[in-house]
Amino acid sequence: GAVVSQHPSRVICKSGTSVKIECRSLDFQATTMFWYRQFPKQSLMLMATSNEGSKATYEQGVEKDKFLINHASLTLSTLTVTSAHPEDSSFYICSARERQGWTEAFFGQGTRLTVV
Amino acid sequence: KQEVTQIPAALSVPEGENLVLNCSFTDSAIYNLQWFRQDPGKGLTSLLLIQSSQREQTSGRLNASLDKSSGRSTLYIAASQPGDSATYLCAVPRGSNNDMRFGAGTRLTVKP
Repeated sequence: GAVVSQHPSRVICKSGTSVKIECRSLDFQATTMFWYRQFPKQSLMLMATSNEGSKATYEQGVEKDKFLINHASLTLSTLTVTSAHPEDSSFYICSARERQGWTEAFFGQGTRLTVV
Repeated sequence: KQEVTQIPAALSVPEGENLVLNCSFTDSAIYNLQWFRQDPGKGLTSLLLIQSSQREQTSGRLNASLDKSSGRSTLYIAASQPGDSATYLCAVPRGSNNDMRFGAGTRLTVKP
């Protein structure tokens, strides 16, 4: 299947700093990518939809100024957690589909963010 | 609003047992359903994708069925192995946005 690569897999940062997470589609182009968040022992919840060349669409309750999303190319979307706080500590994971429509979704390896 | 439920939340079985994981969804107007495996601290690995027109899909020891009208899917794992220990998630596409709505998962432990 298609490959979605996410980097870094694990990051620890100090409170108040910003962290950038990259999501790449390695062997296909993705006009849309999705960013999810997963708290311990809970399921994935959609944070935002990243659209190449346009603004991201955020889910209700997700602060767009805290979670900056940039989708500058057809193979790369980035999520920047700005002014991180301990409550932002979580597992972040991105997803993309190889083709438009109701096709198989592929996920990155995830990023474990710990804010100390 | 689409809700996805998975039962049981956790399951522990001895090696070699056949087992069934359940997934239910409230809105039967789905295009497909996907089963994933998640190891601790890792991303999701796609196991099986069932299109709405299909009733089942098989991959090795895994068999997934879909009863769209009743809003249910099952994942059958034959001859379970300790390496099957993981969390299994089912998900369906959500509306026009085409993102995924997930169940809470079933945490499976296969004991040697």
